[in-house]
Amino acid sequence: GIQVEQSPPDLILQEGANSTLRCNFSDSVNNLQWFHQNPWGQLINLFYIPSGTKQNGRLSATTVATERYSLLYISSSQTTDSGVYFCAVAMNTGNQFYFGTGTSLTVIP
Amino acid sequence: EAQVTQNPRYLITVTGKKLTVTCSQNMNHEYMSWYRQDPGLGLRQIYYSMNVEVTDKGDVPEGYKVSRKEKRNFPLILESPSPNQTSLYFCASSLSAGTAYGYTFGSGTRLTVV
Repeated sequence: GIQVEQSPPDLILQEGANSTLRCNFSDSVNNLQWFHQNPWGQLINLFYIPSGTKQNGRLSATTVATERYSLLYISSSQTTDSGVYFCAVAMNTGNQFYFGTGTSLTVIP
Repeated sequence: EAQVTQNPRYLITVTGKKLTVTCSQNMNHEYMSWYRQDPGLGLRQIYYSMNVEVTDKGDVPEGYKVSRKEKRNFPLILESPSPNQTSLYFCASSLSAGTAYGYTFGSGTRLTVV
């Protein structure tokens, strides 16, 4: 299967700071999504972004499919941004999804 | 309200006692999937279904069964649970796989097998 690596594994930020999370993947994909798992365990879809750039409020994401990576930007972080951020991909040839091991973000007031 | 509903939320059972975790979605989604989440391993896909009567193995299917007799339901069956199946399980659905539709996840089922 496809390998998905996320970095950094852990991140601690002061409220108001900006951050960039990275997702590298080992093969061509036709589906890439970013998720946020809040401290209560709920998983929320943030972006569907197999290529290009999208923005939603303080969050934006960019995927460079030819170089096999995606970036999630969080600006002006808030304590409610805390949790684990996962990247998940599906290959061009199938519909099986592969998740990275996540970036655990803690935003302190 | 559009949602994916999993039951139960918490379950403690004994080794070898068959159990079923139910998953139901009310969004008329074609694609449904089961994942397990373990510390340090992220989420790993167990089985997925492209539509009614169409199921495929994911990354870690051993010890699990699924069925998709109706579009809205996708139960996960552990016929003889073992302690290494202790995990947090998530069901997810999407209108379709491989298209511009994101996943909706259920709230999770925390399973402990003793």
